[in-house]
Amino acid sequence: SHDLTQPPSVSVSPGQTARITCSGDAVAKHYVYWYQQKPGQAPVVVIYKDSERASGIPERFSASSSGTTVTLTVSGARAEDEADYYCQSKDNNDFVLFGRGTKLTVL
Amino acid sequence: EVQLVQSGAEVKRPGESLRISCKGSGYSFTSYWIAWVRQTPGKGLEWMGIIYPDDSRTTYSPSFQGQVTMSADKSISTAFLQWSSLKASDTAMYYCARLPVVVVPASPPKFSYYGVDVWGQGTTVTVSS
Repeated sequence: SHDLTQPPSVSVSPGQTARITCSGDAVAKHYVYWYQQKPGQAPVVVIYKDSERASGIPERFSASSSGTTVTLTVSGARAEDEADYYCQSKDNNDFVLFGRGTKLTVL
Repeated sequence: EVQLVQSGAEVKRPGESLRISCKGSGYSFTSYWIAWVRQTPGKGLEWMGIIYPDDSRTTYSPSFQGQVTMSADKSISTAFLQWSSLKASDTAMYYCARLPVVVVPASPPKFSYYGVDVWGQGTTVTVSS
């Protein structure tokens, strides 16, 4: 199910700040996770429990939430941050929800 | 090192059966949930369902209920995803993923989850005549 809304794409120049939003009723009630997926690779967790940075993830990745929207921020984006980013939460029936993904371009 | 190692790529014909696997290592296999996630070419992630290997309790996404079967053999720390009759539309990459257990205070306590902390490398399934 895709009850989480993400923009299809975000584009920034190197060194700029990229912000990717994820909206839906679920995010106001349950933790949100963010995953990064590079071409040909499995996803990797970037942020867990709304705003905790996963082990090994650079400090330029952060996240915040406000009501029914959460935002993943990449401060000083680098070319290596180009990837698809997916938000994930769950509904009240414990069904996992994924956003449709956002392609981050750093160019 | 915590790892989920999935079985290799499969090429099948429509109507055939298939079982793919996901072996956990480096942690207590029965203390975490295992979810299955589908990704079709050029598309996003779809949650198929989740299993708790300790007692094999399962929850299926409504989109996949009746289409696949999840199971686990805790004696070999392995989870499985099975199809009885494949369709061309099952062509996809399938990931297994580990989710930490969250104990929800209740009577009796409820085991739940939030999100993934470890992903398998994926298994490509191609179904073509």
